[in-house]
Amino acid sequence: QSALTQPRSVSGSPGQSVTISCTGTSSDVGGYNYVSWYQQHPGKAPKLMIYDVSKRPSGVPDRFSGSKSGNTASLTISGLQADDEADYYCCSYAGRYTWVFGGGTKLTVL
Amino acid sequence: QVQLVESGGGVVQPGRSLRLSCAASGFAFSTYGMHWVRQAPGKGLEWVAVMSFDGSNKYYADSVKGRFTISRDNPKNTLYLQLNSLRAEDTAVYYCAKKLPSGVEAAPDYWGQGTLVTVSS
Repeated sequence: QSALTQPRSVSGSPGQSVTISCTGTSSDVGGYNYVSWYQQHPGKAPKLMIYDVSKRPSGVPDRFSGSKSGNTASLTISGLQADDEADYYCCSYAGRYTWVFGGGTKLTVL
Repeated sequence: QVQLVESGGGVVQPGRSLRLSCAASGFAFSTYGMHWVRQAPGKGLEWVAVMSFDGSNKYYADSVKGRFTISRDNPKNTLYLQLNSLRAEDTAVYYCAKKLPSGVEAAPDYWGQGTLVTVSS
């Protein structure tokens, strides 16, 4: 149950796009199409942004999109806005009814 | 709307026990599986435990197996986490979270605001 690997930080200017990667193994990210992404503002609870690799819950803007290739999943945020500045975590089903999170990525909007 | 409210956190000495509660409302609690996830101060999220909608199946992270017990009371719309043999490394905010409706592999969707557990002598 090792944590998934995410970059510690990414940044972008308003209006630009950024992509956050999430690398696991064939036992988690690569083995299942059950990757989800969460946004967490300081002091707040996580909020689901993407589930099942690329599905968006209702209410999440279509500026947020997810994808996966092999053992790496990605979250892309287009048209960056100031309120997108937050920590982002990926999560993958890891088999045998367990889940594993990434270490988190701090997104800074310049 | 979905509401999850955790309680029961506090300061506890190493080796002692604590029981966390999560009161659910705004959805059919008895038809959804539930997760517990924790976050140590300044650190990332760590999955802790999951329970099926009817309480018949429960699974744990290796880091808490044998020490923590997840349970639920569906008539009371409440999820619990019993924390035994607590260690300093268990210090964290503990979140309860509803499972997505999509199946056994479903991740959390809605989260509570969390309750802080501090293990210290």
